[in-house]
Amino acid sequence: DTAVSQTPKYLVTQMGNDKSIKCEQNLGHDTMYWYKQDSKKFLKIMFSYNNKELIINETVPNRFSPKSPDKAHLNLHINSLELGDSAVYFCATGSSADTEAFFGQGTRLTVV
Amino acid sequence: KNEVEQSPQNLTAQEGEFITINCSYSVGISALHWLQQHPGGGIVSLFMLSSGKKKHGRLIATINIQEKHSSLHITASHPRDSAVYICAVDNSNYQLIWGAGTKLIIKP
Repeated sequence: DTAVSQTPKYLVTQMGNDKSIKCEQNLGHDTMYWYKQDSKKFLKIMFSYNNKELIINETVPNRFSPKSPDKAHLNLHINSLELGDSAVYFCATGSSADTEAFFGQGTRLTVV
Repeated sequence: KNEVEQSPQNLTAQEGEFITINCSYSVGISALHWLQQHPGGGIVSLFMLSSGKKKHGRLIATINIQEKHSSLHITASHPRDSAVYICAVDNSNYQLIWGAGTKLIIKP
């Protein structure tokens, strides 16, 4: 039973399109995150969402927006996709208790 | 200066060696994470620490809050331990700050 599930695993789309990546967790964690893995394989946080409070990395373009319909989901919407948006995006969850964080498998986005 | 510094950046060792990866940070934190990223890109959470020491199998993680330092140790290393190991800290503002990672290669 997957703890953090991302869909789709692969996404190929054209420039200018709008797309969404879904993330669902069944751990009951109170915080969810989106990360972008850059070309050097470093993970950079994009958003964190906790109890309806959204914290945004100010370097993230406003074409990116997280949407949380409920506590178990934090979806990533991207408008007007650009070539530079091609990357692997990871969703993760965390708890305020002293437990481990869990990551989704990642979504490889390719913009052509 | 990065808020989270890892060392070494690259480490190659022989199977069976004892491995240590270090992480120093300069911000106040509520927790520190050690993560493992395999060549396929999948990330596994190894430990989340707020104090003391944790052990899972051959992996041991320690943290010293006063010195703002954590170490990840691997005993009896094996080629399957080859991966990138990442230290990340939770700055209590719902943000995780990442280290640059340590690429570990264990040779048979």
